[in-house]
Amino acid sequence: DSGVTQTPKHLITATGQRVTLRCSPRSGDLSVYWYQQSLDQGLQFLIHYYNGEERAKGNILERFSAQQFPDLHSELNLSSLELGDSALYFCASSVSGSTDTQYFGPGTRLTVL
Amino acid sequence: QQQVKQSPQSLIVQKGGISIINCAYENTAFDYFPWYQQFPGKGPALLIAIRPDVSEKKEGRFTISFNKSAKQFSLHIMDSQPGDSATYFCAAQRVTSGTYKYIFGTGTRLKVLA
Repeated sequence: DSGVTQTPKHLITATGQRVTLRCSPRSGDLSVYWYQQSLDQGLQFLIHYYNGEERAKGNILERFSAQQFPDLHSELNLSSLELGDSALYFCASSVSGSTDTQYFGPGTRLTVL
Repeated sequence: QQQVKQSPQSLIVQKGGISIINCAYENTAFDYFPWYQQFPGKGPALLIAIRPDVSEKKEGRFTISFNKSAKQFSLHIMDSQPGDSATYFCAAQRVTSGTYKYIFGTGTRLKVLA
């Protein structure tokens, strides 16, 4: 158990819908990262927040957005969902954001029908 | 655009053998190179990592070899065990100030036969 929690574990929804994925980092960690893992695209970095501020953006679509709240939990919002958005979404956390170990949560499996 | 090329895609090794996974990157701005291990149904977990000012790092049975001039790095698993059967991802990251990047390889599925 990494100490990072993600909810929900599974999510099934329809195209065009909007969903919110939630992540609680390990106690004391200030950085939260979001990743998407799919069979054809592998593991893709989406976005990194440090202490409430966006620090880095990767291959995150404009339909996706994220935020980190004062209590350091983070939410990833996915809107206008498409079939291709079906994937595992991982959250990771680290103490700061440099070469600290990133601890991954168990992931949320999103299925878009 | 794929900036980290990982090979092989899959690997079968006998118990006690050496598993070798290779990665090549393009962007010289990367300054941190971790390897992750992922078991089915779990999130990736950091296995070992190296910075480009070091040519080799060893932790137990796991070794990273790093060739800065060739822009290549590899993971060696000595005395491979069935419990090492997992998917391994290399990554190239820029984590110092400036433009942060986190790029992953496509993964290598390792199976160690008992």
